[in-house]
Amino acid sequence: QTVVTQEPSLTVSPGGTVTLTCASSTGAVTSGYYPNWFQQKPGQAPRPLIYTTSNKHSWTPARFSGSLLGGKAALTLSGVQPEDEAEYYCLLYYGGAWVFGGGTKLTVL
Amino acid sequence: QVQLVQSGAEVKKPGASVKVSCKASGYTFTSSGISWVRQAPGQGLEWMGWISAYNGNTNYARKHQGRVTVTTDTSTSTAYMELRSLGSDDTAVYYCVKDYAYNMDSWGQGTLVTVSS
Repeated sequence: QTVVTQEPSLTVSPGGTVTLTCASSTGAVTSGYYPNWFQQKPGQAPRPLIYTTSNKHSWTPARFSGSLLGGKAALTLSGVQPEDEAEYYCLLYYGGAWVFGGGTKLTVL
Repeated sequence: QVQLVQSGAEVKKPGASVKVSCKASGYTFTSSGISWVRQAPGQGLEWMGWISAYNGNTNYARKHQGRVTVTTDTSTSTAYMELRSLGSDDTAVYYCVKDYAYNMDSWGQGTLVTVSS
């Protein structure tokens, strides 16, 4: 059973920078896992932010960036805004199957 | 613009089946795949399966293999997800997602399936 692990919760101050990570139980995450990142607010469908590690959608704010960091996929928010408070999910590809991380609840305080 | 419009909420009894539809517009349906993702109340996201709208190839999460079937009707640009032998732990919001080139870029609005006796 493949497990994708994210920090359960993180807190950041407005204007600050925070990095969320996404680890695989199978070992280091590489570009071949095609990491995707999503933001979800209560009562809403997930909103795609990043695909294939670091590519942004046309609607993704510039303060969001994706990368690989220390064997994990990473989502960095720079200059955090109050509206960034949400749940964030990563998604990794395992040769025909996708597995979501458990989500990170980001609090902006 | 890309739109995925799903069928309405369902209430089912344990042991029954449910079939959720997802009508796509705003892109060439057969150029992409559709994944199905669910979210139980207060829980995280769970990928269930994928279908290529081009050739009908499918992949399923091991957990759901044998109990879920995803299909498409290219004449109406509609994808379907059928889940059988429902239990209370299948109560969730089910989403269809446009899934192309490792990019899940468009989500349906979600369909709440409630399993209750």
